[in-house]
Amino acid sequence: EVQLLEFGGGLVQPGKSLRLSCAASGFTFSTYAMSWVRQAPGKGPEWVSSIMGSGESPFYADSVKGRFTISRDNSKNTLFLQMNNLRAEDTAVFYCAKGYGSGRSPFDSWGQGTLVTVSS
Amino acid sequence: QSVLTQPRSASGTPGQRVTISCSGSNSNIGSNTVNWYQQFPGTAPKLLLYTTNQRPSGVPDRFSGSKSGTSASLAISGLQSEDEANYYCSSWDGSLNGPVFGGGTKLTVL
Repeated sequence: EVQLLEFGGGLVQPGKSLRLSCAASGFTFSTYAMSWVRQAPGKGPEWVSSIMGSGESPFYADSVKGRFTISRDNSKNTLFLQMNNLRAEDTAVFYCAKGYGSGRSPFDSWGQGTLVTVSS
Repeated sequence: QSVLTQPRSASGTPGQRVTISCSGSNSNIGSNTVNWYQQFPGTAPKLLLYTTNQRPSGVPDRFSGSKSGTSASLAISGLQSEDEANYYCSSWDGSLNGPVFGGGTKLTVL
């Protein structure tokens, strides 16, 4: 059974940094693209970033490009999201998801989410 | 606002057939397939349909999808009370180089 467990959310001031982690199990982690998807309160999901199984070719939504960095450690089956220069509009539940959101690679498993609140 | 447009709400009675629409553009639905996600309050979204009309293992065949031009639809037949949830459409957007979502439709079973 696929399991994705996110860690690292919390309350942070605008302009500060936060690092999210996602521990994966139940599948061959290194062979799948992984993504971060966020959902602001009362809104639909918003794709944030994806990374291929090898760790190459990360890609980002325009709203986070230059501020967020996705990475992975395939030896530890863990996905990361380094978030810098956080803004109030980044406040959301952040989900780790398996896949990169296309038809051939939909988000077929999701973690339970971790809440990031950016406020002074 | 969201790139894909969905009605904010839909409703039906048990046993009825309901459809939820999703409107996009040539850069997303017009040139790519559509995925649908189901989300219950306080939980993570769950994949409901992929590549427009394929069901993951465990999803009942009451759920079906279709696409025409730049619009897509999710149909739920034999509506059940446990189908009351939020439904989101999603499609790859070639201009944005990433997946986009709709704002979601809250389905109420009367």
